[in-house]
Amino acid sequence: LAKTTQPISMDSYEGQEVNITCSHNNIATNDYITWYQQFPSQGPRFIIQGYKTKVTNEVASLFIPADRKSSTLSLPRVSLSDTAVYYCLVGPTFYNQGGKLIFGQGTELSVKP
Amino acid sequence: NAGVTQTPKFRVLKTGQSMTLLCAQDMNHEYMYWYRQDPGMGLRLIHYSVGEGTTAKGEVPDGYNVSRLKKQNFLLGLESAAPSQTSVYFCASTAQGSTSKNIQYFGAGTRLSVL
Repeated sequence: LAKTTQPISMDSYEGQEVNITCSHNNIATNDYITWYQQFPSQGPRFIIQGYKTKVTNEVASLFIPADRKSSTLSLPRVSLSDTAVYYCLVGPTFYNQGGKLIFGQGTELSVKP
Repeated sequence: NAGVTQTPKFRVLKTGQSMTLLCAQDMNHEYMYWYRQDPGMGLRLIHYSVGEGTTAKGEVPDGYNVSRLKKQNFLLGLESAAPSQTSVYFCASTAQGSTSKNIQYFGAGTRLSVL
């Protein structure tokens, strides 16, 4: 499973766009990139997943360059409720090794008024 | 639809005591996982199960045992609790098959303190 590197923390203000970049230099051909969000005192929850180029849903966008060695989670117009820890994970979506995920430390996003 | 339910939500143990954490999922998922989360450490995989009656070790299995007697339940046991096992424990599950994309669904967590 590929190792990921992301900033430990980020600060932002309400209404701004936030971009969190994750590095995964050893990503394998079969690997997908998945982001989870964790609020205090809650379990992580899935936000978005992609393989290449751009993926957008109602919560966020995920940008993946052609070499796939990094990815950027983009949160448009953040609010105070977006304050959370964001985890970037890389791994296969088929069931190799029991579908195990490896969570790093994540990025602690703090949104200020 | 409850998703993934963990019981209890909080527990305080004395060193040497034993306890079992229960995880139940109602999504008919084949795969289930137990993680622990410590400050600044992210989540670490303790044990996991790829189906009823099967379990496997994760990253930090020592001091824990698990059982998956029924597909919907995954139990995590501490036979002799130690202060180092003070942590927040999360259970997760995911479906088998390409359509699930290996997306894991997590419970709300169990906060365990060992004195």
